[in-house]
Amino acid sequence: LAKTTQPISMDSYEGQEVNITCSHNNIATNDYITWYQQFPSQGPRFIIQGYKTKVTNEVASLFIPADRKSSTLSLPRVSLSDTAVYYCLVETPLVFGKGTRLSVIA
Amino acid sequence: DAGVIQSPRHEVTEMGQEVTLRCKPISGHNSLFWYRQTMMRGLELLIYFNNNVPIDDSGMPEDRFSAKMPNASFSTLKIQPSEPRDSAVYFCASSLTENTEAFFGQGTRLTVV
Repeated sequence: LAKTTQPISMDSYEGQEVNITCSHNNIATNDYITWYQQFPSQGPRFIIQGYKTKVTNEVASLFIPADRKSSTLSLPRVSLSDTAVYYCLVETPLVFGKGTRLSVIA
Repeated sequence: DAGVIQSPRHEVTEMGQEVTLRCKPISGHNSLFWYRQTMMRGLELLIYFNNNVPIDDSGMPEDRFSAKMPNASFSTLKIQPSEPRDSAVYFCASSLTENTEAFFGQGTRLTVV
């Protein structure tokens, strides 16, 4: 049984804010929520990690409600170079699901 | 640090041959992971090590696959004998601990013909 569920794909225009939501209904008390980004022909790259509430870094923001059963990765003002697959993970060690394929259109 | 280094970047081999993939983790990292990625199955965790000791190899597909980590700076993933269905991109990753940020190598694209 998959521990995370996220949309298979999303499309967005350049300059828009993109929000990708991930469901993790069975998250354990000590699980952190981590997001990775993968470009074609490259390995995944860490974006952001959080436990609860809101986390922000230079790349993205991560919103986690109080019940922690879901999380939302927010990418502000996306560009063409943000086209990639985005993975939401809650397990240790890292177990990747299918991810969300984000396509940014000019 | 140059990051996680994998070799070779590309490997083409004939069915039945032995294949060895190599990985040099980031210095000071205590956890090392081997993944396989295909279009059909996505990114699969094959095995991971903590402090050079294999912790979980339940993702290793079958006995043809084996992995070693003789020291903190080197790991190998061996397939013997190789089969066409082993064709995939194999990634190695390392992290300070098993639940901290993982850094991935560029991967080895394996083609078995």
